[in-house]
Amino acid sequence: DTAVSQTPKYLVTQMGNDKSIKCEQNLGHDTMYWYKQDSKKFLKIMFSYNNKELIINETVPNRFSPKSPDKAHLNLHINSLELGDSAVYFCASRNSGHSYEQYFGPGTRLTVT
Amino acid sequence: AQSVTQLDSQVPVFEEAPVELRCNYSSSVSVYLFWYVQYPNQGLQLLLKYLSGSTLVKGINGFEAEFNKSQTSFHLRKPSVHISDTAEYFCAVSDRPGSQGNLIFGKGTKLSVKP
Repeated sequence: DTAVSQTPKYLVTQMGNDKSIKCEQNLGHDTMYWYKQDSKKFLKIMFSYNNKELIINETVPNRFSPKSPDKAHLNLHINSLELGDSAVYFCASRNSGHSYEQYFGPGTRLTVT
Repeated sequence: AQSVTQLDSQVPVFEEAPVELRCNYSSSVSVYLFWYVQYPNQGLQLLLKYLSGSTLVKGINGFEAEFNKSQTSFHLRKPSVHISDTAEYFCAVSDRPGSQGNLIFGKGTKLSVKP
């Protein structure tokens, strides 16, 4: 039973393409996040959703658009991919009412060529 | 704004030696502190957390951390490391409770355990 899952695990694409990454959690959590980890392993929050409502929207280009169809899913769509978008993207979830720790997915390694 | 500083980017140690990974935070409010571990090509796994109460927190895999409010530190320790502890370790602070809460991560410390 995978708690937080992401698809795909690897994504290789060319500049200018549009791609999506999907995230699902089966923990019953109400808050989900997207993080970007760069080549130096630095983790930075991109977005968070609580009960399908956007809560955190850090300084991220408009080419990135999150979508939460329900509490258990948070997808990330990226338009017009650029070389600098190459990174590992992590999804995470949390139960906002009961705990502070976040549970992370295995990551999606995006390579833009 | 809250921030987290991990003082060492890399820590090489020999197997069965003790290790300490250092973490300092800055915060003007109550803090909730975490250590996560990332094994190669994997996601982050929670090692331990401090929310309140005892300042010595025990986590998984034999790790522990001590919250020191006066020194604004939350150092991670293990008395005897194994090869399998080789990984990237991240200290994090939660900036506020509830649905608005977010984790702010340090830049990570790469622990390399040598035989």
